Amino acid sequence: DQQVKQNSPSLSVQEGRISILNCDYTNSMFDYFLWYKKYPAEGPTFLISISSIKDKNEDGRFTVFLNKSAKHLSLHIVPSQPGDSAVYFCAARVSSGSARQLTFGSGTQLTVLP
Amino acid sequence: DTAVSQTPKYLVTQMGNDKSIKCEQNLGHDTMYWYKQDSKKFLKIMFSYNNKELIINETVPNRFSPKSPDKAHLNLHINSLELGDSAVYFCASSHTGHGATKRQYFGPGTRLTVT
Repeated sequence: DQQVKQNSPSLSVQEGRISILNCDYTNSMFDYFLWYKKYPAEGPTFLISISSIKDKNEDGRFTVFLNKSAKHLSLHIVPSQPGDSAVYFCAARVSSGSARQLTFGSGTQLTVLP
Repeated sequence: DTAVSQTPKYLVTQMGNDKSIKCEQNLGHDTMYWYKQDSKKFLKIMFSYNNKELIINETVPNRFSPKSPDKAHLNLHINSLELGDSAVYFCASSHTGHGATKRQYFGPGTRLTVT
């Protein structure tokens, strides 16, 4: 039962254009969402996050949008750079209680073409 | 200076053996985690642990056990290794206090191959 889904395993974008990575979730209890980036042979590194009380969070070239009614979030990277080529994981968690566990999607391989 | 480190980076072993993967964090975090990345690339939580409680994902076989000698370490012990245990295992850590950032910091991963 995949509570966090990234339906696109891969995405190719030309350098300088916008990259849009999508993520859907099914658990309405999730109230905090994160994006991680992963290079080969390295651990995931935090990129950007958003609380369910917001619908947008921006950090430089990266913007995350949250549509709670659709249970959908997206990561926009603009302009895309070759160094952005990596696997991007969407993750979600429930903040209440003692659990701090993240539920991850399966990742989307982004390739930015020079 | 690595924030979350894991050893070894690669581990090849035979079925039936018992092995351990070590994890250390120097971030002063109070909670540590183990994740398994399977062949389908999903990152699945196995354990989360702080000095108050251990939360175990119910799908994790009891051959897997976390051991924490202190707050900075959470080692993963695996008994009677099986072929299906082959995967990349990631350690992570975070703060958990009220208002603390919810970011988890990950180690570089340990690729376990069981033959």
